[in-house]
This record gives sequence, C-alpha cells and structure tokens, in this order.
Amino acid sequence: GQQLNQSPQSMFIQEGEDVSMNCTSSSIFNTWLWYKQEPGEGPVLLIALYKAGELTSNGRLTAQFGITRKDSFLNISASIPSDVGIYFCAGPFSGSARQLTFGSGTQLTVLP
Amino acid sequence: DGGITQSPKYLFRKEGQNVTLSCEQNLNHDAMYWYRQDPGQGLRLIYYSQIVNDFQKGDIAEGYSVSREKKESFPLTVTSAQKNPTAFYLCATGSYTEAFFGQGTRLTVV
Repeated sequence: GQQLNQSPQSMFIQEGEDVSMNCTSSSIFNTWLWYKQEPGEGPVLLIALYKAGELTSNGRLTAQFGITRKDSFLNISASIPSDVGIYFCAGPFSGSARQLTFGSGTQLTVLP
Repeated sequence: DGGITQSPKYLFRKEGQNVTLSCEQNLNHDAMYWYRQDPGQGLRLIYYSQIVNDFQKGDIAEGYSVSREKKESFPLTVTSAQKNPTAFYLCATGSYTEAFFGQGTRLTVV
C-alpha cells in the first residue's frame, strides 16, 4: 500500500510550548485528515482539509494542506497536559480504492 | 446516542482458536472498516465494506475474515491462521475522506 511519512516520531515538550508535526507523501492527496488518539481509545478526528493551500484551525490546533498536495502540517499552540497522545495524519490517495492510509503517528508528551 | 460501538474492550484468546470482534454503528453509514494497530505503528487496513453483502480485502487481510449481513454490523473474525494476532483492533465508519472510530478491542493471545 501507499505510505505516509510522518515526523517526528515522538516529541517531549514543556507545557506552554508550541508543537509542530508534519506528513509527506510521494503521491498527491485530495484530502488530509489529522487525528488524535489517547491511550486505549480510538482516534478522534481533529481537523479535515479538502483544498490545497487550505489553513484550518480548531482551537489551539492549526493544520495546513500543502500547495503541492503532497504534504500537511499540524501545529499546536501553548500546549497543555491533555494534549498528550498520538497524532496521526491520514488521507486517501487520488484515484485510490476508497480507503484511508495513515501515517505512523507522532507520540506527544507534555511535561509540567 | 449515535455512534460506533466495539465489543469487547479486552479479549484473550488461546492459540489455535478463532475469535470474533463485534462492531456496531447507528450512524447510517454505508462504509465500514477494520484496522489493526501495533505499538509504534500506524493503522493498517484489514478489510472494508462499502455496502451490505460486499467487502474487500485491505493491506493485511490474511488470517482474518468478515461479514456484512446488516448495514449496522461488521464483525471481524481473527482465525487461527493469523500468526501474530495480538494487537489493538479498530473499527471505523464513514467514508474514505472522513472516518469515525470505535473505542477499539485489545486482543491478546495467551
């Protein structure tokens, strides 16, 4: 299957710091999705992006759909302890067989 | 409440046994998906179904089977042919542009 390259794999940050993570693909995407997963739970959709260049916010979270349609980033501002979890990017490939592909995730730890 | 429900939350299986994981949704979505998650890895697609009585293999279907007899239900059977079944299993509904997940089932082979 197709692959998404998500980085960094893990992050340890101090409470109050900003966070940035990104996903890249060798193929074009029509949609980028960002999910958060807390331990022992299913992923929850945070932000969906549908148009190249789109910049969308959800509270302290901001995500952008890259102009080339091959990348996306997620920023978290002023991190708090409840931001801890695994963040996944996901997307369907153009012309794909109607299935989402997920990045390997970024494990975020927020230190008090 | 509308949503997607997986059961059980935890499941233990002896080697050589088949086991079935339940997934039910009342969101009226046509499409349903099963993913497997291993530590430090992303979600890998096992099977998906776009409509009742039809389903397609995903990237890692070997050792698994599914059925879709009702729109609301998409059970996954982990067969004895699956050599490394210990993992976290996630069911999802929606579309390939926006999927919604259940709470997951953690399967452990003992």
